[in-house]
Amino acid sequence: GAVVSQHPSWVICKSGTSVKIECRSLDFQATTMFWYRQFPKQSLMLMATSNEGSKATYEQGVEKDKFLINHASLTLSTLTVTSAHPEDSSFYICSASRGAGELFFGEGSRLTVL
Amino acid sequence: GIQVEQSPPDLILQEGANSTLRCNFSDSVNNLQWFHQNPWGQLINLFYIPSGTKQNGRLSATTVATERYSLLYISSSQTTDSGVYFCAVGAAMDTGRRALTFGSGTRLQVQP
Repeated sequence: GAVVSQHPSWVICKSGTSVKIECRSLDFQATTMFWYRQFPKQSLMLMATSNEGSKATYEQGVEKDKFLINHASLTLSTLTVTSAHPEDSSFYICSASRGAGELFFGEGSRLTVL
Repeated sequence: GIQVEQSPPDLILQEGANSTLRCNFSDSVNNLQWFHQNPWGQLINLFYIPSGTKQNGRLSATTVATERYSLLYISSSQTTDSGVYFCAVGAAMDTGRRALTFGSGTRLQVQP
């Protein structure tokens, strides 16, 4: 099956710093990727839709200036958490699809902000 | 947006038992997937099943799209089946977006 890879798997940073998470589709091109966030013992919530070559679309309540998304190529989308605070600590997961069908998810990136 | 409800929220089984997990959704879908989230957080694709029935080993799934529900069957459960099972759907009306909306999950614990 299709593979989506995220990096890093774990990241710990100090409050006020910025953290970048990468999401790559390894064996297919993805014009659209999706970023989700999951807090402990909760479900996955869609944060934004990343579109290759254009601006991301953010879900209601997600700050676009805080969560910067760049989809610079057909195989790479990045999520940058700017000026991170402890409440941003969460599990971030990306997903992508070849086309109109099944979505494939990355391994996730666990962010801890001290 | 589309609503996704999963039941039961929690389930405890003895090893070897069978179980059925249910997913109800509020609108027409063009995508439905079942996932198992392991203790490290990784989502394991179980089934892509917007309609019909599929089987993979001890697991099988059925989606009745016209009645807006899907079922995941686990037979002869093993301790390694423990974890959270998510149902996620793509609303048919969201033809341009294709994102999945997740249910709240069923937390399964299989005891030896």
